Amino acid sequence: NAGVTQTPKFQVLKTGQSMTLQCAQDMNHNSMYWYRQDPGMGLRLIYYSASEGTTDKGEVPNGYNVSRLNKREFSLRLESAAPSQTSVYFCASSEYGMTKTEAFFGQGTRLTVV
Amino acid sequence: GEDVEQSLFLSVREGDSSVINCTYTDSSSTYLYWYKQEPGAGLQLLTYIFSNMDMKQDQRLTVLLNKKDKHLSLRIADTQTGDSAIYFCAEKRGGFKTIFGAGTRLFVKA
Repeated sequence: NAGVTQTPKFQVLKTGQSMTLQCAQDMNHNSMYWYRQDPGMGLRLIYYSASEGTTDKGEVPNGYNVSRLNKREFSLRLESAAPSQTSVYFCASSEYGMTKTEAFFGQGTRLTVV
Repeated sequence: GEDVEQSLFLSVREGDSSVINCTYTDSSSTYLYWYKQEPGAGLQLLTYIFSNMDMKQDQRLTVLLNKKDKHLSLRIADTQTGDSAIYFCAEKRGGFKTIFGAGTRLFVKA
């Protein structure tokens, strides 16, 4: 009954360091997403993968890269972290797109860049 | 513009009704959603309404949609302390674009 699992839950990076946020879903969903959540702002879409083998930019892709490793896994990479990337990152998945069917979210990764 | 707007805070007494309001911008939005986020957790879909509906009721939840004013509301009847959370309004636009509001933090006082 795992749903969407993100690792790590917390991370502190120094400016310029790189890291990869991992996300895996066990619901056989086609679509996966990465969002960031900042105080006083809604969730903003960074990248999404409509289906295995495809990835596309969302609203705020700069400074990030993604990999859809297989149907289950969708990772987000910060090549050179900046303080502006301090945020809570959420991975989500859905059957296909976010229509009336439920989108499932992971618990989030709280990232601080110092 | 792109924004989905919500007030940031709402405080109610246990047993009262809560009404959380949202305005959106895209008249072509197909689905509008309410998500709930509890502390330390991800978002969970609470309910949704299709754009050709005016109202949807689901147990203690009532969603009202005014397409003319682009206004969406969520009413929670008999609000309980377990309803304390952040509630996000979201609108689905074309393709994979779903725009979220900043969230309304609901405080329920015992």
